[in-house]
Amino acid sequence: SYELTQPPSVSVSPGQTADITCSGDKLGDIYSCWYQQKPGQSPVLVIYQNNRRPSGIPERFSGSNSGNTATLTISGTQAMDEADYYCQAWDSNTVVFGGGTKLTVL
Amino acid sequence: EVQLVESGGDLVQPGGSLRLSCAASGLTFSSYWMSWVRQAPGKGLEWVANIKQDGSEKYYVDSVKGRFTISRDNAKNSLYLQMNSLRAEDTAVYYCASVSYFYGMAVWGQGTPVTVSS
Repeated sequence: SYELTQPPSVSVSPGQTADITCSGDKLGDIYSCWYQQKPGQSPVLVIYQNNRRPSGIPERFSGSNSGNTATLTISGTQAMDEADYYCQAWDSNTVVFGGGTKLTVL
Repeated sequence: EVQLVESGGDLVQPGGSLRLSCAASGLTFSSYWMSWVRQAPGKGLEWVANIKQDGSEKYYVDSVKGRFTISRDNAKNSLYLQMNSLRAEDTAVYYCASVSYFYGMAVWGQGTPVTVSS
């Protein structure tokens, strides 16, 4: 079965850029999405189709996907961005999530 | 306002059954593939099942095949998950979500907790 691999944790200073990676075999050949989840809340879609932002998602969130790696980039990271982030892709008609990355803003 | 509201979560004994529901409003429910996603305590997201707009195609994660059944009633704007032969490892918050290859899981419910324990 298809697997997506994320680093368990990433730390960033306020105002700096955070990059969260997601690796999978030929991931760049398919669309990837990213979700933000804060404690006690439901996940929120922040990136779809590799690099598109839903309405209401700040411009500091961007994405890329090439080769075997998709990347979520948060520019000018704010304290409110501290959360768990999950990548997601499709494998045939099933959905696969990465294990999640805890972003700490310190 | 677009909204998904899950219900039906409960404490159930191992081997028992439970039926989860997800009521949709504010979206054209019959136009969307729908998913169930779960999250065990302190763990990450795990996709459970997908169902096509008309219910003609259904897909499951291997760990629930033969035990869980996803279904929908477009006339009632509702999604369901029938869970049988429940195990301790099925303990999780269960979310319903609209899903699309092109647009991701754009709408999520608030989740309903399922605890399998004796």
